Amino acid sequence: AQSVTQLDSQVPVFEEAPVELRCNYSSSVSVYLFWYVQYPNQGLQLLLKYLSGSTLVKGINGFEAEFNKSQTSFHLRKPSVHISDTAEYFCAVYHLNAGGTSYGKLTFGQGTILTVHP
Amino acid sequence: GAVVSQHPSRVICKSGTSVKIECRSLDFQATTMFWYRQFPKKSLMLMATSNEGSKATYEQGVEKDKFLINHASLTLSTLTVTSAHPEDSSFYICSASREGRGEQYFGPGTRLTVT
Repeated sequence: AQSVTQLDSQVPVFEEAPVELRCNYSSSVSVYLFWYVQYPNQGLQLLLKYLSGSTLVKGINGFEAEFNKSQTSFHLRKPSVHISDTAEYFCAVYHLNAGGTSYGKLTFGQGTILTVHP
Repeated sequence: GAVVSQHPSRVICKSGTSVKIECRSLDFQATTMFWYRQFPKKSLMLMATSNEGSKATYEQGVEKDKFLINHASLTLSTLTVTSAHPEDSSFYICSASREGRGEQYFGPGTRLTVT
């Protein structure tokens, strides 16, 4: 069965410090990988995605993530966070069948609440 | 591009009434739309997947007679919560995807409160 695990439910950090939000997945097929951010009472905004090619993916707001196939991980990083980065972050996996077409569902992790303190 | 809207953003209704939530893809044709439910401090739970012109596929445990989904066109899907009860109160989020693409574009969500 496919699953997504975000290892930290909450990550507090001081402003301008680096941060890493961890995501591991399990899947028996190829995947696409996504990170979304959700601000209070809002929908999800795509931060970045990995579909193929370079394993280091850069997204919006200075975030980046690295796909590590051997470790089945897709950790999100930012070298220097701002107060405005305080939000909940979701890792999501989209499963592909053997033909490379999709199953059509996103599986979400449990979410990580990032709190940036001044 | 790839903007998805939801209406209303917030709705309060009395127990026993029905509520319709609209999800629209504003600048692209969405071959597939998804409806999620999010409980407080929880992740998104997929309720159903709908393709234009066909019946929705519901996830296990989701009552299709209670949560009616209609995907009338390539830009509009609706979720109707029938005979709503307080336990149906939640944050409902839709998303839309283009054919052959894994990426989903999310709406801003609808906060439903049933009194």
